[in-house]
Amino acid sequence: DAKTTQPNSMESNEEEPVHLPCNHSTISGTDYIHWYRQLPSQGPEYVIHGLTSNVNNRMASLAIAEDRKSSTLILHRATLRDAAVYYCILRGGRNSGNTPLVFGKGTRLSVIA
Amino acid sequence: DTGVSQDPRHKITKRGQNVTFRCDPISEHNRLYWYRQTLGQGPEFLTYFQNEAQLEKSRLLSDRFSAERPKGSFSTLEIQRTEQGDSAMYLCASSRREEGYKNEQFFGPGTRLTVL
Repeated sequence: DAKTTQPNSMESNEEEPVHLPCNHSTISGTDYIHWYRQLPSQGPEYVIHGLTSNVNNRMASLAIAEDRKSSTLILHRATLRDAAVYYCILRGGRNSGNTPLVFGKGTRLSVIA
Repeated sequence: DTGVSQDPRHKITKRGQNVTFRCDPISEHNRLYWYRQTLGQGPEFLTYFQNEAQLEKSRLLSDRFSAERPKGSFSTLEIQRTEQGDSAMYLCASSRREEGYKNEQFFGPGTRLTVL
């Protein structure tokens, strides 16, 4: 799996939007971009994934650059419960969804009330 | 709650002792994964099963580690002759085998091992 680069930490005010960047300059054409997050004292949980087009779900939005070398996870209104470590993960190929996840260090998001 | 469960949640042991952890995946999830997470790091893959077959083992899984999934349901991870470097959070995840790109993995709360 290709490598990703994320800032070590970010801070946001409550109820403000948060943009979490991820660089993946060596992404291949078949790599999907997945995001997981890990709340304190819990296992990671799936957030969102995408290939080329921007994606929205109930938790977040994923904006993918046109050249796919970077992406941004967007939390539209951060709450205290969004304080977590966010991981950007590349998964390659049609059947790679069944393979283990390769985590980096992620971005630790702090939310200030 | 029908999520992934792990037992025990915490384990303190002395160096040289053997420990065993259990993971109960979500019912009917045929894939089961073990990861290890040390402080400040993301989880690292150890091994995974499809049903009862162990399909892949990481180089992190030394000879002192063994994992089983005897009936394709729950799994155990045993560490023999524990060392202080084994201190970590051991996470279990499960997923359904499916074609496609999402294949969400559902994680348990983890077992925190402390080796004294």
